Amino acid sequence: DAGITQSPRYKITETGRQVTLMCHQTWSHSYMFWYRQDLGHGLRLIYYSAAADITDKGEVSDGYVVSRSKTENFPLTLESATRSQTSVYFCASSGQTFGYTFGSGTRLTVV
Amino acid sequence: GENVEQHPSTLSVQEGDSAVIKCTYSDSASNYFPWYKQELGKRPQLIIDIRSNVGEKKDQRIAVTLNKTAKHFSLHITETQPEDSAVYFCAASSSSGGYNKLIFGAGTRLAVHP
Repeated sequence: DAGITQSPRYKITETGRQVTLMCHQTWSHSYMFWYRQDLGHGLRLIYYSAAADITDKGEVSDGYVVSRSKTENFPLTLESATRSQTSVYFCASSGQTFGYTFGSGTRLTVV
Repeated sequence: GENVEQHPSTLSVQEGDSAVIKCTYSDSASNYFPWYKQELGKRPQLIIDIRSNVGEKKDQRIAVTLNKTAKHFSLHITETQPEDSAVYFCAASSSSGGYNKLIFGAGTRLAVHP
């Protein structure tokens, strides 16, 4: 859906560099989420947010930070990228009805 | 916290056959169970969901059943077609930490052979 966009679609970075993945939604959804997808693990929750300035850790949050200064944006930052963070990252948003809508994903490779 | 297990990890069927994917969850407080379909290189998309006050829900060729007592739910696809080939994810809601969020199973890769 055009209402939730992620950028960039593809990113190659070096070990130790900081990298930020962007997520923007146009529906004014309260809830936003970051998941990573790895073969054999499905979608694992990194961070989530219930509203602007309210964020909390998911099951695999080590090495990541998030911010949410505006309702529509939820950037994910890898403070010092490691090879184990090579993955596909999906952002999602949800209104009051619980159903998630996912962005198109960012494929991140750490070399 | 919530834990979701999904089986099988791969499933191969002939066109026209039925396919069943099963999930179990651990948190008895979970009350929302969606299923997502992900085609190769694309985003997961919601195909059907069920809430804890309903035992079964159908939408054309797909159906989901929920057994709250046993804490398991299943996706049923009838009259499978090649375009049903994809990875399917189940999920269960988790309210730990005060926020409702989804915990996903590891996925099932469904292959439908013509």
